[in-house]
Amino acid sequence: GAVVSQHPSWVICKSGTSVKIECRSLDFQATTMFWYRQFPKQSLMLMATSNEGSKATYEQGVEKDKFLINHASLTLSTLTVTSAHPEDSSFYICSARGKGIQPQHFGDGTRLSIL
Amino acid sequence: DAKTTQPPSMDCAEGRAANLPCNHSTISGNEYVYWYRQIHSQGPQYIIHGLKNNETNEMASLIITEDRKSSTLILPHATLRDTAVYYCIVRVPTDSWGKLQFGAGTQVVVTP
Repeated sequence: GAVVSQHPSWVICKSGTSVKIECRSLDFQATTMFWYRQFPKQSLMLMATSNEGSKATYEQGVEKDKFLINHASLTLSTLTVTSAHPEDSSFYICSARGKGIQPQHFGDGTRLSIL
Repeated sequence: DAKTTQPPSMDCAEGRAANLPCNHSTISGNEYVYWYRQIHSQGPQYIIHGLKNNETNEMASLIITEDRKSSTLILPHATLRDTAVYYCIVRVPTDSWGKLQFGAGTQVVVTP
C-alpha cells in the first residue's frame, strides 16, 4: 500500500527555536500534500494544503508566517514552525494523495514539545 | 461537504464482527464515503472508500445503503489491535484538492 514517511517522529526544543518537519511519499507521486495538527483528546484540524510547485493554501486562523510550508517536489513537503513557543506544542501530521479519486495516506505524525 | 454523524463510542468483543454506523443524510451524488482510523499516537490509516456499491478489501467491508444516506463499516473479526478512533468522511475526492475534514469519530474498544 501507499506509504508516507514523516520525520522526525518527536522533537523537544527550547522556546524561540524553529523546527522543520519532513513529509515524504515513498512509493507514489503526491500531487497534493496536507498538514494537520491535533491537540490531546481532539480530532485532526487541517492547517494547510499544498500542491507541488505552488504556494500553500492555509485554513482560516492558521498563521502562514508562523507555519512555513514548502512542497518542492512530488515526493517531499516540509513544515517549518518558526520561533516556536509552548502553545505550538502539538501532534503534527502530514498526508499525501495522488491524482483522481486516490485516498489520502498519512504519516505517523511528529510530536512537538516546546519548553 | 456532507456532514456525518457517528456514535461517540462502541465496544466489541475480540473475534466478533464490529459494525460501525455512519449517517450522511445530506450526501450529494458525487460525494464518496471514506473511512479512516487512528490508533492512539499514530497518524490516521486509510481503510476503505466507496461511492454507491458495497466494497471489500483485506481490512474491512463497506456497506452503503441504496439511498446513500448511511453506511456501515464492518470489521469481520475484530482484534485488540483494531482498538482505535474510526472516522467516516464524505466528500468529492477531487474538490478543493481532496482535503478531508475530520469529525469526532467513533472510539472503538475491542475487549478480550
